[in-house]
Amino acid sequence: GQQLNQSPQSMFIQEGEDVSMNCTSSSIFNTWLWYKQDPGEGPVLLIALYKAGELTSNGRLTAQFGITRKDSFLNISASIPSDVGIYFCAGRNYGGSQGNLIFGKGTKLSVKP
Amino acid sequence: ETGVTQTPRHLVMGMTNKKSLKCEQHLGHNAMYWYKQSAKKPLELMFVYSLEERVENNSVPSRFSPECPNSSHLFLHLHTLQPEDSALYLCASSQDRGSYNEQFFGPGTRLTVL
Repeated sequence: GQQLNQSPQSMFIQEGEDVSMNCTSSSIFNTWLWYKQDPGEGPVLLIALYKAGELTSNGRLTAQFGITRKDSFLNISASIPSDVGIYFCAGRNYGGSQGNLIFGKGTKLSVKP
Repeated sequence: ETGVTQTPRHLVMGMTNKKSLKCEQHLGHNAMYWYKQSAKKPLELMFVYSLEERVENNSVPSRFSPECPNSSHLFLHLHTLQPEDSALYLCASSQDRGSYNEQFFGPGTRLTVL
């Protein structure tokens, strides 16, 4: 089945640093979503993007819908320990099963105080 | 209670057991989903229900049997599972299917098959 390429797979950073991660697809998407999953919990929606070129912020998080419609980026500024977790991108493409999301494998973020 | 809840949170079962996972959403949504999350793999969509009707079954083995008695409740009945079925099973809901209807997840049930 179709997959998203999400990178990096893991990051280990110092508190206060900025973080960047991205997802790419071989096909065009009409929606990009970013979720965060804490240990023992389900994914929580962070940001939803619906338009190519769209840039949306949620506190220290900023995500962008790539203009090619085949990629998306998530940036976290001034990381803090509670940012630790796994971040997933998800996309919905044209022509796919109605409403179904395709997920990346996740980026595991570790923050050192 | 708000959002999407799942019970039990943890389940250990033998291969000959029969058990059920329960999901309940308090969001007034019309679509519900079952996903399987295994280590180092993307979330795998298993089943989709829209207005209590199963609209998608992604080639899931028959040892997994979903049930949606109403728009707020979703069950996953398990029988004669295999050890490779051990995973985190996530339930999600959305207002409707299709674009602009984002999915909200429950906390999951961690299933271990011995």
